[in-house]
Amino acid sequence: NAGVTQTPKFQVLKTGQSMTLQCAQDMNHEYMSWYRQDPGMGLRLIHYSVGAGITDQGEVPNGYNVSRSTTEDFPLRLLSAAPSQTSVYFCASSYRPPGQGANTEAFFGQGTRLTVV
Amino acid sequence: GIQVEQSPPDLILQEGANSTLRCNFSDSVNNLQWFHQNPWGQLINLFYIPSGTKQNGRLSATTVATERYSLLYISSSQTTDSGVYFCAVEANSKLTFGKGITLSVRP
Repeated sequence: NAGVTQTPKFQVLKTGQSMTLQCAQDMNHEYMSWYRQDPGMGLRLIHYSVGAGITDQGEVPNGYNVSRSTTEDFPLRLLSAAPSQTSVYFCASSYRPPGQGANTEAFFGQGTRLTVV
Repeated sequence: GIQVEQSPPDLILQEGANSTLRCNFSDSVNNLQWFHQNPWGQLINLFYIPSGTKQNGRLSATTVATERYSLLYISSSQTTDSGVYFCAVEANSKLTFGKGITLSVRP
């Protein structure tokens, strides 16, 4: 098992460009989520999905889109990059959604370091 | 939403020392997880602990859900324990993180 795989690992964008961060998991996990990590802020939830075809907003969703067409993949799209989106992005998955009984242990990808200039 | 506070924000230890990291949360939660982020940025799940005490080698964790806190104990610290420790609480299909505790273990 590869676990949770994120691509790319590093990316530099110009203001106004769009891009997609890829996230895939091979553990048949129901729940997937995206976080951003900024210095001194911990990890903040951007969007999450409790299953294929279902997505919802987290704490900081503005400027980002997601979709979940398959169980395995959960891409994060930046529509028009801004310097405020410079951050490290993490994708995570768990067998069941947080707070819903057992098997909610979260597994994280390696992260994508994004710089918007 | 639920507030998660971790203390202390920074901790410097000499190799071999013991330490206690604290996580307080503002509301009832279904579960709590502790993570270690190593200096290369990788996040590793240390404990999945809704209540009670668990041990894994030199690390142990205790959660007292009724009093809304959890403690992570590190004994006989090693330089490889350096990094950032996060607690995260589970509620309403979301995992909410604290801001982390930065631990530096000096040889």
